[in-house]
Amino acid sequence: AQTVTQSQPEMSVQEAETVTLSCTYDTSESDYYLFWYKQPPSRQMILVIRQEAYKQQNATENRFSVNFQKAAKSFSLKISDSQLGDAAMYFCAYRASFANSGYALNFGKGTSLLVTP
Amino acid sequence: NAGVTQTPKFQVLKTGQSMTLQCAQDMNHNSMYWYRQDPGMGLRLIYYSASEGTTDKGEVPNGYNVSRLNKREFSLRLESAAPSQTSVYFCASTGIYYGYTFGSGTRLTVV
Repeated sequence: AQTVTQSQPEMSVQEAETVTLSCTYDTSESDYYLFWYKQPPSRQMILVIRQEAYKQQNATENRFSVNFQKAAKSFSLKISDSQLGDAAMYFCAYRASFANSGYALNFGKGTSLLVTP
Repeated sequence: NAGVTQTPKFQVLKTGQSMTLQCAQDMNHNSMYWYRQDPGMGLRLIYYSASEGTTDKGEVPNGYNVSRLNKREFSLRLESAAPSQTSVYFCASTGIYYGYTFGSGTRLTVV
């Protein structure tokens, strides 16, 4: 079974600064998908960014970008120009490319991000 | 609005009571999932249904049963609720383009 590890239970960043959230995973597969989800206090699960393992280029979505290191099995999320609305719980998730577990997402334990003015 | 609808949003049960959490999606997704979220534990897979007519256990299935009633609906049943089942429950679905849609969650308290 694949495991996803987020080693930072809590992080803090000042408004307008940059923060990086860490994620490592363990898999024997070569093809898979990685995700970052944001969960604000409303409990809604919001997709932040997605990375396909076969793509060498790191995914970017506006202020959010990833550093995908396949050999190191690392998938960190960088948030630039942090805003108060970025405060939330962030989850890293893994999905196999084949129909293991019906393509279920396997989540890390999450990192709580606090944004200070 | 298209999406995943979960009911109820909140529920308090007494130990030993039973209840069913309902989930319906209107996106014609094949796969549906039930997760539970506990503080410091992330989301853990309880059961999943890869397609209509099939269900399988996930990481934490004990104390739960599921039914994939049709392609739209996937329910989660607690036959005899225990305090350890106090949690927030999420239903999710996905189609063929790797996009996942989550319900708004059910906060369940077992006293």
